[in-house]
Amino acid sequence: IAGITQAPTSQILAAGRRMTLRCTQDMRHNAMYWYRQDLGLGLRLIHYSNTAGTTGKGEVPDGYSVSRANTDDFPLTLASAVPSQTSVYFCASSEIIGGPNTGELFFGEGSRLTVL
Amino acid sequence: GNSVTQMEGPVTLSEEAFLTINCTYTATGYPSLFWYVQYPGEGLQLLLKATKADDKGSNKGFEATYRKETTSFHLEKGSVQVSDSAVYFCALSDLPDRGSTLGRLYFGRGTQLTVWP
Repeated sequence: IAGITQAPTSQILAAGRRMTLRCTQDMRHNAMYWYRQDLGLGLRLIHYSNTAGTTGKGEVPDGYSVSRANTDDFPLTLASAVPSQTSVYFCASSEIIGGPNTGELFFGEGSRLTVL
Repeated sequence: GNSVTQMEGPVTLSEEAFLTINCTYTATGYPSLFWYVQYPGEGLQLLLKATKADDKGSNKGFEATYRKETTSFHLEKGSVQVSDSAVYFCALSDLPDRGSTLGRLYFGRGTQLTVWP
């Protein structure tokens, strides 16, 4: 089934450790995103990528980095995890930005991260 | 700037009740408006959308009308079911800035809906 695959689905991590959340899509979408979802705050954009080879910062980029070496993969890295990064992380993708389907995002099932 | 404000939850209804979840927005220009739904343990999925004023988006019995004069996009359903229990997010998408190819999606904080049999 086409879509977005995230891994791991859940992880408990000690503060200070490095962690990479993986995201792969098979829809050949140009744009990809990472959001974090926190109770009472909704979804907040961490980083995005318009196309392979480019990335940009969202609302809450501090403490996170991303790369986009190819169209399909968009990993999110926490270089040194802190407890405030405990959250549910969603990867998403969309078709060409600015086209008629702008705003129609396809989401993965999320990665629940707990930093102790 | 762009922002979305939606009705605080949680909303609890009996099956077959009428549902309204309010959503208002602030935007520069003419955004597209969306409702996304998140079922328990899943990611968000698009429920419906409207791309210009007076458009009505509809899907699975849900409707929302893009009201430019009141800057609103309220979600309605005439008769809810237990299976509609989920978190609902209102969102807007602005057009890409000149020189940028990113049309950002701005989400409201979500409204939890629980429907009892």
